[in-house]
Amino acid sequence: SAVISQKPSRDICQRGTSLTIQCQVDSQVTMMFWYRQQPGQSLTLIATANQGSEATYESGFVIDKFPISRPNLTFSTLTVSNMSPEDSSIYLCSVGLAGVPDTQYFGPGTRLTVL
Amino acid sequence: GQQLNQSPQSMFIQEGEDVSMNCTSSSIFNTWLWYKQDPGEGPVLLIALYKAGELTSNGRLTAQFGITRKDSFLNISASIPSDVGIYFCAGYNNNDMRFGAGTRLTVKP
Repeated sequence: SAVISQKPSRDICQRGTSLTIQCQVDSQVTMMFWYRQQPGQSLTLIATANQGSEATYESGFVIDKFPISRPNLTFSTLTVSNMSPEDSSIYLCSVGLAGVPDTQYFGPGTRLTVL
Repeated sequence: GQQLNQSPQSMFIQEGEDVSMNCTSSSIFNTWLWYKQDPGEGPVLLIALYKAGELTSNGRLTAQFGITRKDSFLNISASIPSDVGIYFCAGYNNNDMRFGAGTRLTVKP
């Protein structure tokens, strides 16, 4: 199994500011994903973080709002830009091996509150 | 898009009772998975199913991959207080995993 850490674990931010969330995994993985989980809701995929190239975004999510970096196989960042209260959510990093679904593990999440 | 319908949305049961939840989709999935999420944590994989009709157990948990590949169920037998949490089904195709809305389970001692 993979051990995933996320920083920060939680934050309270002001409207209009940006927050960068870090995800670190203890082993090299091919796939890294970012999910959003709004209060009481399911997990929605924001994007797949690709090493050395632009992330692949799902419908409804754009790079200007959620820029993502993945400089190597064990680290990724997600930035939530120009935040509004609607961005209040848990943001989860997930990792796995390509084509092997039972290797997909989740980090503990970052709980974001936007005032 | 691929939408998963999970039911029930929530369950309140007595310790020792059995639990059943299911997930259906309008699309076919190659793999069905069931996750559990505890408060303040990320989801943890419980069971993965790879073949239509497959029935798999993990301790008190049993899950089945529907014959049409469009549905799955999860049973928990003899529930205990630590079974409390949110259970998510997930369907997987080609590095793309989609989640159901979750079943929130409460177990009364």
